[in-house]
Amino acid sequence: EMQLVESGGGLVQPGGSLRLSCAASGFTFSSHWMSWVRQPPGKGLEWVALIKQDGSEKSYVDSVKGRFTISRDNANKSLYLQMNSLRAEDTAVYYCARVRGSLAYGMDVWGQGTTVTVSS
Amino acid sequence: EIVLTQSPGTLSLSPGERATLSCRASQSVSSNYLAWYQQKPGQAPRLLIYGASSRATGIPDRFSGSGSGTDFTLTISRLEPEDFAVYYCQQCGGSPRYTFGQGTKLEIK
Repeated sequence: EMQLVESGGGLVQPGGSLRLSCAASGFTFSSHWMSWVRQPPGKGLEWVALIKQDGSEKSYVDSVKGRFTISRDNANKSLYLQMNSLRAEDTAVYYCARVRGSLAYGMDVWGQGTTVTVSS
Repeated sequence: EIVLTQSPGTLSLSPGERATLSCRASQSVSSNYLAWYQQKPGQAPRLLIYGASSRATGIPDRFSGSGSGTDFTLTISRLEPEDFAVYYCQQCGGSPRYTFGQGTKLEIK
């Protein structure tokens, strides 16, 4: 069974840092683009970051550029999101998701999400 | 940056009826890089449609996608009780980058 399991969420003060992890199983992790998507409480989905299979290409939504870093470890089938200089507006459930083949094919495997709360 | 606008914001229908959800892009979506997702409360999104019109694995054939350029539609031919949820469209643009629409809530009338 294909599975993604996120961890690392929690309560952090504004200006603080947090590192999210996503453990993959049941598929060839190194063959897929991977993504982070977030959802603020009661709101819609927002794409956060993408990373290519070998980590050579990364992209981010403008609101997190320079603060968040996406990375991956193919040997350990893991995806990461390093979040620095956190703001209240970063409060959300963070999902990791697998890109189905080409970037055109959407995200077909999702984790259950991990909650990040930025508050003093 | 391409902006996706979904309409209506809320759609109230009864089981057995046909649902038509719209997603309009501010610029043409290249090569039909348009996907649709379903999300139920407390759950992660689920991929329904990719490439504007191809059903993802395991998706019932009552779900169909159509459209090209800037106008896309998700149609649910006969609503089942489990179809009442929030639906999002999503496109892949240059850089690369993804964009989601704001969502359409499909509720029971």
